[in-house]
Amino acid sequence: AQSVTQLDSHVSVSEGTPVLLRCNYSSSYSPSLFWYVQHPNKGLQLLLKYTSAATLVKGINGFEAEFKKSETSFHLTKPSAHMSDAAEYFCALMDSSYKLIFGSGTRLLVRP
Amino acid sequence: DGGITQSPKYLFRKEGQNVTLSCEQNLNHDAMYWYRQDPGQGLRLIYYSQIVNDFQKGDIAEGYSVSREKKESFPLTVTSAQKNPTAFYLCASSLGLQDTQYFGPGTRLTVL
Repeated sequence: AQSVTQLDSHVSVSEGTPVLLRCNYSSSYSPSLFWYVQHPNKGLQLLLKYTSAATLVKGINGFEAEFKKSETSFHLTKPSAHMSDAAEYFCALMDSSYKLIFGSGTRLLVRP
Repeated sequence: DGGITQSPKYLFRKEGQNVTLSCEQNLNHDAMYWYRQDPGQGLRLIYYSQIVNDFQKGDIAEGYSVSREKKESFPLTVTSAQKNPTAFYLCASSLGLQDTQYFGPGTRLTVL
């Protein structure tokens, strides 16, 4: 069965420092993978998606993610955190039935 | 202004009452979805619809019902059979089942 594991429930960074949010997946094939962001009491906004083209995917707001098949990872990074990046981030995998399987989320705190 | 709208934003219900959450999209998407989000957890799929007049149960359909009479609309009814309905409910849509899902702003349901 496919699954998604977000390795950190909370990540805290200082403004201006790099962000790393970790996501590992389990799948018997090379899946489509997504990162979404959710601000408090809001819906999810798509940050980026991987669909077996380039392994380094660039998204909105300066975020990017790298698909590493050998490590079954799809970590999200940003070179320099901004206060507005504080939110919850969800990694998701599209399974063989085209349903999204979500990780449990990582809450990003950005310190001034 | 294209997008997905959900109403109401907040909803309060007494135990034993049914309540219907609205989801409308003007993106001309065929597929629509309902998810439930609980604190500290990822999203879980309740129901989805690939096309008008067709819908399928997701992972946690018990105590919920849906209809898909129009392409633009996919209302969710939370019935009194749902044991723990207090949660944040998110609607999503996509061009087809295999395409990227886009989310509405959510409805927070509280059972008093």
